[in-house]
Amino acid sequence: SQELEQSPQSLIVQEGKNLTINCTSSKTLYGLYWYKQKYGEGLIFLMMLQKGGEEKSHEKITAKLDEKKQQSSLHITASQPSHAGIYLCGADVTDTGNQFYFGTGTSLTVIP
Amino acid sequence: ETGVTQTPRHLVMGMTNKKSLKCEQHLGHNAMYWYKQSAKKPLELMFVYNFKEQTENNSVPSRFSPECPNSSHLFLHLHTLQPEDSALYLCASSVTQGENYGYTFGSGTRLTVV
Repeated sequence: SQELEQSPQSLIVQEGKNLTINCTSSKTLYGLYWYKQKYGEGLIFLMMLQKGGEEKSHEKITAKLDEKKQQSSLHITASQPSHAGIYLCGADVTDTGNQFYFGTGTSLTVIP
Repeated sequence: ETGVTQTPRHLVMGMTNKKSLKCEQHLGHNAMYWYKQSAKKPLELMFVYNFKEQTENNSVPSRFSPECPNSSHLFLHLHTLQPEDSALYLCASSVTQGENYGYTFGSGTRLTVV
């Protein structure tokens, strides 16, 4: 079983459309991280969420952690080709930070 | 470049070979990690070094042997690997293990065991 379920696995959207990627766990998430991986490059840290109900935004990307701290969503507004890549959620599932898991990733394609 | 450099980028090795993966960072981070990424699976944490001391070994087979000579360099020594060990091996670093500052990853070494 996967510690972190990410959905959808892949997404193809028209430029300018909004989209949402979800990351769900059966365990409490003590730190939830969103990463982006551009093809052939390393992972780029996007945002970190820790508190239930927390929401952060950077440019056109907004990430939320639900009140129960078991689900996070990543929302992109008015998508652009530069948003294309693989989005990964990662999480600390213990409060000591010694167990870290990644989701399976979402491949995003933005069609100009 | 992310600040974490991994070499080689690609490696093909036979099951009887001995090879090493190298990871280098000059970000001033003091925790370094080896991850394994297999197709359609979440990244698997293999080893963690914090201030050059190994603090995590997630039941990794002994055919994988890490070495951290200083806080800027991390090696993964490989010997008598199996075809199922073929994967992308990612190195990462962070300010401190467990600190919520996020991780910086290298581009990975794509390993193929034949």
